[in-house]
Formats: sequence, C-alpha cells, structure tokens
Amino acid sequence: LAKTTQPISMDSYEGQEVNITCSHNNIATNDYITWYQQFPSQGPRFIIQGYKTKVTNEVASLFIPADRKSSTLSLPRVSLSDTAVYYCLVGDMWYGGATNKLIFGTGTLLAVQP
Amino acid sequence: GAVVSQHPSWVICKSGTSVKIECRSLDFQATTMFWYRQFPKQSLMLMATSNEGSKATYEQGVEKDKFLINHASLTLSTLTVTSAHPEDSSFYICSARGEQPGDTQYFGPGTRLTVL
Repeated sequence: LAKTTQPISMDSYEGQEVNITCSHNNIATNDYITWYQQFPSQGPRFIIQGYKTKVTNEVASLFIPADRKSSTLSLPRVSLSDTAVYYCLVGDMWYGGATNKLIFGTGTLLAVQP
Repeated sequence: GAVVSQHPSWVICKSGTSVKIECRSLDFQATTMFWYRQFPKQSLMLMATSNEGSKATYEQGVEKDKFLINHASLTLSTLTVTSAHPEDSSFYICSARGEQPGDTQYFGPGTRLTVL
C-alpha cells in the first residue's frame, strides 16, 4: 500500500485559494488518489477522487502530474467552515475486497482565519 | 454521494460489558466494509476488513477475539467490542464502497464509545 506524505498543518485566510500537496512516490498502477475532509467527532467526508491529470467538482480540484507520484488538492476561496483535517489516500479501486483498504496518514490540519 | 450510517452514534457502558455497533450502506451494496478506530487528535487506524459471508481480516495488533466483526448481508456489518475496558474508549468509524471499479469509499458518521 502506498504511503502518503503531506504537511502537518497549513494556515490560510478567508477567501484565499488553498493548495495542499501530497506525495505518494510508491503509487501502484491500480491506485486511485482520494481526498477526505474530517471535522472533529465526525467521519471523513469524501471531497474528490482521481486517477490522472485533473479532476474538478463543485467543491475542489485535484491535480495529478503524469508520473502520479504526487497530487494537489485545490480549495478555491476557503471560508472559516473549511477549517478541518484533510487526508490524502491512495488505494486500489479497481477491484473489490481487501485490496482497496485505505491506510490513513497524519493528514493536514487546515486552519482558516478571518 | 453514497450514504453510510452507523448506530448508535454514541454509547456509554460499564467495564466488562459488550457493545455492538452497526454499520449500514443505505443506497448501495458492499461486499467489503472497513472498521477504523480513532483516538483524540490522532489519525484513523484501520482495525479490520469485513467481508460479506466470510471471516473478517484483522490488521496486525488488533485482537480478533475482542473485536468481533460480522458481515451479515451486503448492506450490514457489525462490530462487537467484547468485555470492554476504559482503554477501548474511542471513536469507531466504518466505511464501505460499491462494487464497480473506481467506486469511492464512503465513511459513516462514527460511534463514540465511552467505557466507564
């Protein structure tokens, strides 16, 4: 299972764009990259998932370079409510079963200030 | 996105009793579900993989006799903490994903267990 490395914490201000980068040098061919957001005492909430290039949804964008050894989560115009821990995970999403278990790293605590 | 529920959302029990936590995938079928534990200010730790119709696969260091997992159907997995002790107090979270390649894994809201 690929290990991920991301900054422990980041600070930002309301209205700014925030980019959180994650390294996953040992990513495997079948691995997808998934980002989750977690608030205290809640389960992780799915943000975005991708395999290569760029993925965008209504809340974020995910940039994945050609070698797939890293990825960047981009949050446009953050607000105070975006203060949370963000986890980057890689895992095999092609097949069912235990091959797609996700191992959490430390995550990035994003603190958004007014 | 898909919805995963957990019940109860919190439970307080006396030391030595057993507690059962349910995890349901509400709008999709999941042959595989996962159970995590999270202590305060720490990341999620995978405890076990729950497989429908077969035995669960436990991560190293997790006592299978203490944390009993039953995957009774394609939408329900249960975690029973047997003979709970104060050190078992934690936040327990389950997750599930659909069956198609590329399907996302969704997490339940978590269950706060406090053992007195």
